[in-house]
Amino acid sequence: ETGVTQTPRHLVMGMTNKKSLKCEQHLGHNAMYWYKQSAKKPLELMFVYSLEERVENNSVPSRFSPECPNSSHLFLHLHTLQPEDSALYLCASSQDGISPLHFGNGTRLTVT
Amino acid sequence: KQEVTQIPAALSVPEGENLVLNCSFTDSAIYNLQWFRQDPGKGLTSLLLIQSSQREQTSGRLNASLDKSSGRSTLYIAASQPGDSATYLCAPFLSGGYQKVTFGTGTKLQVIP
Repeated sequence: ETGVTQTPRHLVMGMTNKKSLKCEQHLGHNAMYWYKQSAKKPLELMFVYSLEERVENNSVPSRFSPECPNSSHLFLHLHTLQPEDSALYLCASSQDGISPLHFGNGTRLTVT
Repeated sequence: KQEVTQIPAALSVPEGENLVLNCSFTDSAIYNLQWFRQDPGKGLTSLLLIQSSQREQTSGRLNASLDKSSGRSTLYIAASQPGDSATYLCAPFLSGGYQKVTFGTGTKLQVIP
């Protein structure tokens, strides 16, 4: 398998649930990203990892918790989310901070 | 803070037309700029990356131009097809770190058969 793979594609969760989003990249890249895409808003960067170390956290609420166990895998752990967190969550990877971004197909999250 | 504007927000054209999508950005000290397309409910597919030292980049029917000094990039699509229907986003990269990419809200293109 090539590229960036995200699972699940769709997720519906209640406000008290705990769930995780998974991202895997098969491109040999050093950096991985989580982005949030809400309707009619530009993509918002949430987290960046470079060589498994977090280099950026754009003031994201603590109910979102990232994990990067190695350079190929990235998780986003979710707990006690709010309805306004419903969005498309996109994972991306790149070789470094100025190289092209490669995106997965996203997880459509609905919080009820 | 970099701001990116894409005009028009939506565009509907008949099949076969040539069209231009516009992207403007406020901070011209960019390293490169990437154009993407996004199909409904899907992720972003990279179309072209144009470096700050380049003026143009071509891939098939697509041609991207960059004018750093004026803070503008255009994406030209020749002989549009219904399969080109998607949202097109531009993303200028500032140097200095992984967080220095800003996305526009996109141009939603519909090509009518």
